[in-house]
Amino acid sequence: QVQLQESGPGLVKPSQTLSLTCSVSGGSVSTGPYYWSWIRQGPTRGLEWIGFIYHSGSTYYNPSLQSRVSMSVDTSQNQFSLRLNSVTAADTAVYYCARANRFSGTYYTPDYWGPGTLVTVSS
Amino acid sequence: EVVLTQSPGTLSLSPGERATLSCRASQSVRSNFLAWYQQKPGQAPRLLIYGTSTRATGIPDRFSASGSGTDFTLTISRLEPEDFAVYYCQHYGGSPLTFGGGTKVEIK
Repeated sequence: QVQLQESGPGLVKPSQTLSLTCSVSGGSVSTGPYYWSWIRQGPTRGLEWIGFIYHSGSTYYNPSLQSRVSMSVDTSQNQFSLRLNSVTAADTAVYYCARANRFSGTYYTPDYWGPGTLVTVSS
Repeated sequence: EVVLTQSPGTLSLSPGERATLSCRASQSVRSNFLAWYQQKPGQAPRLLIYGTSTRATGIPDRFSASGSGTDFTLTISRLEPEDFAVYYCQHYGGSPLTFGGGTKVEIK
């Protein structure tokens, strides 16, 4: 069974860049038909999808975050990463990484999730 | 963007009772790409249902779901102690994926 684990700083200063990595075990980020995803859960916005990345590097981002977000994948390390720049207090949230599965049909939804990591934006 | 509104906000029930949770979409959900998740305190959401009505791997059959268009329902036929949690519906038939605000099922 695939397992995911988020890692990265728990505290980020305003205007700086939030960087998180998700390590995958029990499966390969290079294996289709999965996308790899970031989702966050904040106190006011609830659950918010950030985006998907495929092992080829193809990405889909939430339009509300697109100008500040980038994702990358490192198949040699079986990891994928999130960068969110120009953060503010509104970006304080628990950040989850997840595998996204197509099941049947065209569209993907997260099925296996990491435990999440709290990132606080504060000076 | 598809906005999902869940009701009620909180459902107070006893073990053994039936729970019915509602999710209404602001526009028709494409091809019923609607999922349900369960979240317990301090844990990540867990996928229960995808494609409106298909149970994910390992999900007991007391969980069922239905719906189409803009109205969807999750039913727990007989609540077990481990079912008291927050439940979220989620649309994934296009970008952005969106989640409802959740329904908390609490012990009465």
